[in-house]
Amino acid sequence: KQEVTQIPAALSVPEGENLVLNCSFTDSAIYNLQWFRQDPGKGLTSLLLIQSSQREQTSGRLNASLDKSSGRSTLYIAASQPGDSATYLCAGTDKLIFGTGTRLQVFP
Amino acid sequence: NAGVTQTPKFRVLKTGQSMTLLCAQDMNHEYMYWYRQDPGMGLRLIHYSVGEGTTAKGEVPDGYNVSRLKKQNFLLGLESAAPSQTSVYFCASRTGQITEAFFGQGTRLTVV
Repeated sequence: KQEVTQIPAALSVPEGENLVLNCSFTDSAIYNLQWFRQDPGKGLTSLLLIQSSQREQTSGRLNASLDKSSGRSTLYIAASQPGDSATYLCAGTDKLIFGTGTRLQVFP
Repeated sequence: NAGVTQTPKFRVLKTGQSMTLLCAQDMNHEYMYWYRQDPGMGLRLIHYSVGEGTTAKGEVPDGYNVSRLKKQNFLLGLESAAPSQTSVYFCASRTGQITEAFFGQGTRLTVV
């Protein structure tokens, strides 16, 4: 059974810090890994998709990496802003199984 | 640019009542998914479909049924609602296993 774990569960940082969010999965037979953002009371917004043949993807201040051998993905947020405050979720495999998320708060 | 649309957005049911949630996508996606999200539990997969006419069980399928009669629609049914089914339900779709998934805005269901 595929399990996805996200660490830390919550994070509170001052504006401007560089952040690392972690996602671990148990099944190495992963086809891709997708990172999402969810604002309170809202749906999920796709941030980055990493194919299993790729090592990383970048979009603006976001960079996500995937290491299938160790079963890990990392989301790096550069120069965090209060607008980055949200819950960040990762999901992988053919069944799109989710981790429980990291709740991020960036304060001015 | 409708994307993934869920209907209804809010609903209150009495215990024992039935209802159907509709997920519609206009992106010609093959794969569709239904999740429930509860505080502290993250998103849990209820059922999914890999194409028109197909359905499969996810992590928490009990108490739910689904149908995919048309490629663009994925229906989630509750035959006899229970308070434990109070949750926010999300639908997602994507072209295939290695492609980007898109989500609807959710349906907030309360069973009293």
